[in-house]
Amino acid sequence: QPVLTQSSSASASLGSSVKLTCTLSSGHSSYIIAWHQQQPGKAPRYLMKLEGSGSYNKGSGVPDRFSGSSSGADRYLTISNLQSEDEADYYCETWDSNTLLFGGGTKLTVL
Amino acid sequence: EVQLVESGGGLVQPGGSLRLSCAASGFTFSSYWMHWVRQAPGKGLVWVSRINSDGSSTSYADSVKGRFTISRDNAKNTLYLQMNSLRAEDTAVYYCARVGGSGYRGASDYWGQGTLVTVSS
Repeated sequence: QPVLTQSSSASASLGSSVKLTCTLSSGHSSYIIAWHQQQPGKAPRYLMKLEGSGSYNKGSGVPDRFSGSSSGADRYLTISNLQSEDEADYYCETWDSNTLLFGGGTKLTVL
Repeated sequence: EVQLVESGGGLVQPGGSLRLSCAASGFTFSSYWMHWVRQAPGKGLVWVSRINSDGSSTSYADSVKGRFTISRDNAKNTLYLQMNSLRAEDTAVYYCARVGGSGYRGASDYWGQGTLVTVSS
C-alpha cells in the first residue's frame, strides 16, 4: 500500500503564495490523492481531488486561491494570496481497495 | 446540503463499549461508501473502518480489527461504529466521512463535525 509523506510545517506571509507537497511512496506515483484543510478546533474540510496528470477537481465553495498540480510522485497544493484563515493543518489522502491513508499533515503558519 | 452528524461519544472505562452514530442527510445515503476516521489529541488523521453502500463489505485498520464493527442502516440514513474492548489509545475525535467516488475510489468529500471518545478510568 502507498505511503504519503508531508513536511511537518510551513510558513508564508499574508498575501503571498505557498506550495505544500505530498509525496507518494515508490511504485505508487500514479495514485490519485485528495487535499483536506483542518482549521484549529474544526473538522477536516475537503479541498480537492488531484490526479497524477495534474488535473484537479475542487470541492464546493473552495476559493479560487487554492489550486493543485503534480510532478511524478509529488502532489502539490498551492495557496495564493494567503489569508489569515488559511492558517491550518493540511492533509493529503489516498485510497486503495483495502484501506484509506493519510499523510502526517503540514501545519501552515501565516505570518 | 450534505450533512453528517456524529453522536454517541463520551467517557468510558478501559475495556468498555460505546456505539457511535452518524446521521446523514442531503444525499442518497444508500448509494455511497462511508468511512470512520479518528484523530487523537494533537495528532493526525487515522483511518479506522470503511463500509460499502449496501453494508455487505467492510474493512478495518489493524489497530481496531476484532474490536470495532462498522455497520449501516440505509432505511434510517445512519452509519454506526460499535466499539468494544476500548483502550486508552482509542481516545480520539471520531469522524464519519463520505466516499465521493465510485465504490471505494474517491476522496472523503464530506466530513461530520466529530464526536469525542475518551477512554480513561
